Amino acid sequence: DTGVSQDPRHKITKRGQNVTFRCDPISEHNRLYWYRQTLGQGPEFLTYFQNEAQLEKSRLLSDRFSAERPKGSFSTLEIQRTEQGDSAMYLCASSFGLSGQGAIGYGYTFGSGTRLTVV
Amino acid sequence: DQQVKQNSPSLSVQEGRISILNCDYTNSMFDYFLWYKKYPAEGPTFLISISSIKDKNEDGRFTVFLNKSAKHLSLHIVPSQPGDSAVYFCAAPNMEIAGNMLTFGGGTRLMVKP
Repeated sequence: DTGVSQDPRHKITKRGQNVTFRCDPISEHNRLYWYRQTLGQGPEFLTYFQNEAQLEKSRLLSDRFSAERPKGSFSTLEIQRTEQGDSAMYLCASSFGLSGQGAIGYGYTFGSGTRLTVV
Repeated sequence: DQQVKQNSPSLSVQEGRISILNCDYTNSMFDYFLWYKKYPAEGPTFLISISSIKDKNEDGRFTVFLNKSAKHLSLHIVPSQPGDSAVYFCAAPNMEIAGNMLTFGGGTRLMVKP
């Protein structure tokens, strides 16, 4: 297991285009998170999956954003009609936690991220 | 509403000296804190954590101190090494929500000069 993989590493797109990112978590991890990091800021939570169920969404996740995790394995994050303000590093993380219980944050393993540039 | 703040965007120290990175939080419900380290073009990696029942946790060259009354924590690195040069984030999980998503500070860029 090589950790959390994200693809692509870099994406440059024109404003108005749709983009999709993929995250492959650590195989035994049932929890998957998407975060966004802009320059000079810390990562900000976007959404969380427990297995295939999307359980939490941040208000940062506008209706142009959609995330899926079919079959509780890999996840995709799609941004429709991209805007320049969407330019950021999109980070995926995974961890293991039991339903209804907390999981200590150090269980997070982050991927290397997808850097999106909207021109 | 920045619940976790790192007021120093950068810090420069000489190799062998102590590095002290600071973090303040406002949410009194936070009771567990983590420090992450991030190199360019990589995701954050976990460094050290502390529970609110402790005021100190040590792991090798890294020590985290927690002052609950002041809502302040700090990360000490001693001795500092050039390989420690990175961006350091403090973070706190929301233990009341399933998934425990993390709230991060803005980060401090540490530069250790040889």
